[in-house]
Amino acid sequence: GDSVTQMEGPVTLSEEAFLTINCTYTATGYPSLFWYVQYPGEGLQLLLKATKADDKGSNKGFEATYRKETTSFHLEKGSVQVSDSAVYFCALRATSGTYKYIFGTGTRLKVLA
Amino acid sequence: KAGVTQTPRYLIKTRGQQVTLSCSPISGHRSVSWYQQTPGQGLQFLFEYFSETQRNKGNFPGRFSGRQFSNSRSEMNVSTLELGDSALYLCASSLDRLAGGVETQYFGPGTRLLVL
Repeated sequence: GDSVTQMEGPVTLSEEAFLTINCTYTATGYPSLFWYVQYPGEGLQLLLKATKADDKGSNKGFEATYRKETTSFHLEKGSVQVSDSAVYFCALRATSGTYKYIFGTGTRLKVLA
Repeated sequence: KAGVTQTPRYLIKTRGQQVTLSCSPISGHRSVSWYQQTPGQGLQFLFEYFSETQRNKGNFPGRFSGRQFSNSRSEMNVSTLELGDSALYLCASSLDRLAGGVETQYFGPGTRLLVL
């Protein structure tokens, strides 16, 4: 079945460091891909999305490119801030069949001043 | 436009009791999904409702049930609560399923349930 695999955390970085959070997926067809962020005590917020191969989603300095050949959707940010500390979830939505959302296990990011 | 709202935000129950959680989707959204989030299991899909019908279901026991009303508001019910049901319950809404469209889910803040 469809699945999403994220790198395990926690990831600890200093402010202004470069961030990469790896995400790979297994799915039939061409799923839509998402990154969500969850701040402490809150629900998930959509960070960015991509709907087809080679699409690049971007928001608030974060970027991710839909790579069909490597079935990946890695999240990157050039310079992280303390306020980026949160849990990041990679997700896919199948575009056929059950159309279910499948979420990764989440990666906790901690940014130190 | 108001976001997804969930009530109550916090709840304490004892084993054996039942609980009902409520979710009001974003105006115009007709699909509502429920998830259970725990530190050990992460985010697990419970079920999805669309136009008052259950469209998808996750792998949870029959103690977990839900429904959707004609105004798209949804409730989920857990009967005979167990300690392991302690979790953050998240509701998410999205627009109608359109052929070739992308239905982005928008999440509410969650209801934190503690079972003692």
